[in-house]
Amino acid sequence: DIQMTQSPSSLSASVGDRVTITCRASQGISNYLAWYQQKPGKVPKLLIYAASTLQSGVPSRFSGSGSGTDFTLTISSLQPEDVATYYCQKYYSVPLTFGGGTKVEI
Amino acid sequence: EVQLVQSGAEVKKPGESLKISCKGSGYSFTNYWIGWVRQMPGKGLEWMGIIYPGDSDTRYSPSFQGQVTISADKSTSTAYLQWSSLKASDSATYYCARSSIVGATGSYFDYWGQGTLVTVSS
Repeated sequence: DIQMTQSPSSLSASVGDRVTITCRASQGISNYLAWYQQKPGKVPKLLIYAASTLQSGVPSRFSGSGSGTDFTLTISSLQPEDVATYYCQKYYSVPLTFGGGTKVEI
Repeated sequence: EVQLVQSGAEVKKPGESLKISCKGSGYSFTNYWIGWVRQMPGKGLEWMGIIYPGDSDTRYSPSFQGQVTISADKSTSTAYLQWSSLKASDSATYYCARSSIVGATGSYFDYWGQGTLVTVSS
């Protein structure tokens, strides 16, 4: 099965900083990659799919890129409401594995 | 409006059985795969498996195959996750979620249930 590895596992940044999270697949998955945001005590929320397509209603400061095995989620200007754990998920084939998560703090 | 409404929190003893539910509304329930995701306390998301309510085709993660059973009742637009003999390590929040692409096993989740907290303790 394809494994998904996120880095870092946690980070701390200041308001207004540019934040980048990386997700690596153990095999190529084309662009079948989604990103989710889970705020403390809340349900996960879809941010990005097809590696770079922003889900409707998601602020434009979020962006995704990558293809094959290496992907990134970027927050261009970190806001207080972005404190959350972010997960990547590959949906190239079952099992639709999640990455281990990246906790973003301010 | 698409909604997935899950059953309420459960407290069970080791060895007991349990079936939790996820009722879909606001869309054609039979046309979209429904998945289950486990989140143990303080831990990440784990993909458990998915079911296609139209014909009950089911796929499991190797980690959960044989440990749980996923089912669906298209007459009530409800998906289920069940255990025959719970263990303390099954204590977690379980989410159901809808796959976004009609008919596709390989799809991200666009709508999520509110989660069901399962506590297994003697």
